[in-house]
Amino acid sequence: DTGVSQDPRHKITKRGQNVTFRCDPISEHNRLYWYRQTLGQGPEFLTYFQNEAQLEKSRLLSDRFSAERPKGSFSTLEIQRTEQGDSAMYLCASSRGTDGYTFGSGTRLTVV
Amino acid sequence: TQLLEQSPQFLSIQEGENLTVYCNSSSVFSSLQWYRQEPGEGPVLLVTVVTGGEVKKLKRLTFQFGDARKDSSLHITAAQTGDTGLYLCAGSWGAQKLVFGQGTRLTINP
Repeated sequence: DTGVSQDPRHKITKRGQNVTFRCDPISEHNRLYWYRQTLGQGPEFLTYFQNEAQLEKSRLLSDRFSAERPKGSFSTLEIQRTEQGDSAMYLCASSRGTDGYTFGSGTRLTVV
Repeated sequence: TQLLEQSPQFLSIQEGENLTVYCNSSSVFSSLQWYRQEPGEGPVLLVTVVTGGEVKKLKRLTFQFGDARKDSSLHITAAQTGDTGLYLCAGSWGAQKLVFGQGTRLTINP
């Protein structure tokens, strides 16, 4: 296993467009997390899944954001009608039980 | 309001010096983790501490969890330029989400 993969690494989009990011976790990890990180800050929690169930969503996750993990494997995070304030690094992480997280390299979103 | 406060936020020292970074909270955590992040990459786990008063060593890095499980420190001995990066502490309650501090940006000058 090569770790947590995120695609794309970089995304530039125009304001108002929809974007979708993909995360492939470590195969034996049952938990998957999405975080957002802006410059100079620590990651902020967005949502997490245990297998295919979405167990918690942050209030940061507005109606324009949706995340899925349909078969308990990969996950997607979609942002509709992007705004400039959505520009950030979107990080995915996976874990097994109470083990520490393994993070992907992130998707850097720039909304112009 | 930041649940986990890290200090200092920025630290620039010369190679060979020692340093300590602090992570403080008013909340009790079941575990606390330290990560290091390079520019343009995701954080990489350094250590997890779970027992109050626990001390863990990773080569020149020493991590301590406070007795009350509300705070932690990271001490680096004889810093090297390769230690440069963003150091993040993160607390959790069981296997739930992690709450991160804002990070300490460490620069080691040759």
